[in-house]
Amino acid sequence: KAGVTQTPRYLIKTRGQQVTLSCSPISGHRSVSWYQQTPGQGLQFLFEYFSETQRNKGNFPGRFSGRQFSNSRSEMNVSTLELGDSALYLCASSLAASLPNEQFFGPGTRLTVL
Amino acid sequence: KQEVTQIPAALSVPEGENLVLNCSFTDSAIYNLQWFRQDPGKGLTSLLLIQSSQREQTSGRLNASLDKSSGRSTLYIAASQPGDSATYLCATPTYNTDKLIFGTGTRLQVFP
Repeated sequence: KAGVTQTPRYLIKTRGQQVTLSCSPISGHRSVSWYQQTPGQGLQFLFEYFSETQRNKGNFPGRFSGRQFSNSRSEMNVSTLELGDSALYLCASSLAASLPNEQFFGPGTRLTVL
Repeated sequence: KQEVTQIPAALSVPEGENLVLNCSFTDSAIYNLQWFRQDPGKGLTSLLLIQSSQREQTSGRLNASLDKSSGRSTLYIAASQPGDSATYLCATPTYNTDKLIFGTGTRLQVFP
């Protein structure tokens, strides 16, 4: 069974631009969560989607948004990029509707903002 | 509010040693605790998941234990190898969610 996939793997953007990252969960998994990882802050939760609905949200500004499609694939969008948005963005998927569940992570998207 | 810490932050050992990584959490009312491995610049690989009703889990040379009353989990790595070099992270979900609270990680280097 294929693991969690994320595209693209690397991105370079300039300040003020916007970016969209994509995550495909493990087949059969219906929950997708997003995390930001930086050297200074570690891993921080962005949001979680289940059955196309945002079930949880972290403490990030409104420039960070996401959505989930009917096939459970998810995208996150960051608008008006800032230098501090440079990070590794990780996506995780889990199986069941009941909480909590074991999380399986993808390889991440490395975003660099210049 | 749950806080998770890991000690030590970094560890360097010779090949063959048995070692213990520590993870502490402030709220003992946890559902589970998951240990991950992260290679530089890569994603997280799930190593072990311990449910709150369990005391330990084993996978190969890895053994994770959980003591909720003391707010601690340990990851024991037997007969360490250079391929074990990575950052090890523990995480636990917040109440009734899939939102994981991560520790700061232990960076392990095993030298030949």
